[in-house]
Amino acid sequence: QVQLKESGPVLVQASETLSLTCTVSGFSLTNYGVIWVRQPPGKGLEWMGIIWRNGNTDYNSALKSRLSINRDTSKSQVFLKMNSLQTDDTAIYYCTREDYGGMDAWGQGASVTVS
Amino acid sequence: DIQMTQSPASLSASLEEIVTITCQASQDIGNWLAWYQQKPGKSPQLLIYGATSLADGVPSRFSGSRSGTQYSLKISRLQVEDIGIYYCQQASSAFTFGSGTKLEIK
Repeated sequence: QVQLKESGPVLVQASETLSLTCTVSGFSLTNYGVIWVRQPPGKGLEWMGIIWRNGNTDYNSALKSRLSINRDTSKSQVFLKMNSLQTDDTAIYYCTREDYGGMDAWGQGASVTVS
Repeated sequence: DIQMTQSPASLSASLEEIVTITCQASQDIGNWLAWYQQKPGKSPQLLIYGATSLADGVPSRFSGSRSGTQYSLKISRLQVEDIGIYYCQQASSAFTFGSGTKLEIK
């Protein structure tokens, strides 16, 4: 059974760094990419970045200067770090599994408030 | 960056009605197009990938099509459980979501 679960702080101070972990099960990170998507309250979905199955990364150009995504394949974990947080970074942060260009499995989401 | 223009922004339809949502890509994305449904308070769910392929477990009343750089999601017979927000997403160059279509029952 494919599962993804986000974990991390609920509240982050402005100007600080957000660190989130996505723990996956039911598949290997060397066979699938993992994408981070966020959704501000009442708004649409925004693609943030991907770590491909080969370990390469791509980032949304609007976030690239602040964002990094890494992984630990032995622990089946993917890590998101984003610095210089502002209030408009308040959102639900999802990790998802990439397959044939679609996101076929999603975590429950981690709600992050920047104050 | 590739832009995805999704329409309409909102839609109200009757049960059993045919519903169509469209996305226009700003450039050629081939078949690298997916559709999602998001119900209130829930994570999005993949409906269609590769522009026309139905994801596992998705009812057959959902279908996707392509005409050039215009992509459509059709719900053949609207059911009450279909209410929610629908998003398109391209994966040809990085990833981009459309702005969403809120579907309600009339």
